[in-house]
Amino acid sequence: DADVTQTPRNRITKTGKRIMLECSQTKGHDRMYWYRQDPGLGLQLIYYSFDVKDINKGEISDGYSVSRQAQAKFSLSLESAIPNQTALYFCATRKQGASVSYEQYFGPGTRLTVT
Amino acid sequence: AQSVTQLGSHVSVSEGALVLLRCNYSSSVPPYLFWYVQYPNQGLQLLLKYTTGATLVKGINGFEAEFKKSETSFHLTKPSAHMSDAAEYFCAVRNTGGFKTIFGAGTRLFVKA
Repeated sequence: DADVTQTPRNRITKTGKRIMLECSQTKGHDRMYWYRQDPGLGLQLIYYSFDVKDINKGEISDGYSVSRQAQAKFSLSLESAIPNQTALYFCATRKQGASVSYEQYFGPGTRLTVT
Repeated sequence: AQSVTQLGSHVSVSEGALVLLRCNYSSSVPPYLFWYVQYPNQGLQLLLKYTTGATLVKGINGFEAEFKKSETSFHLTKPSAHMSDAAEYFCAVRNTGGFKTIFGAGTRLFVKA
């Protein structure tokens, strides 16, 4: 079974709709991240969480919100979807600790289309 | 501020040829450097990383990269391309003590038969 899972894998929604993307991990990592991938732009950080009570905005948080329901679960919401939020969304995790090398582990991605 | 520049959004090589994907970074302190690979319809997975020590690092699938501080580069190479290497490759940098990893825009590698 995959260590980091995302649901749904694909979603088409209409402008103005609220949508939630979910991420679960079995790696036991404290740190979780949401990224957005657009062609030619690489990955842009939306939000990150160091633990359940510590959530931080990334580079492009406008129009998004997150919820860290448990150590293993980190959800991303689009309160009112707009077409320029059409993208591939990735969840990632990382182990906390001074001796680790900051490697991140990624889920398979959610392809979101807003029409 | 940190940044990562990958030269060439697309690189095409013939099967068996050398693969060279270029990455330059900017960082005010010694960085941690990474190459990730993304196969179609999959998430990113770590190919190799440089933290400290030996500047030539070896990764999975025959890839290696060399950290050159004087050139602020971390280019990815593989002596002989295989069809299965066709994917998108991302270079990333993180400052020691920093909170975020910065990813490059990615280079898509095409391998011709």
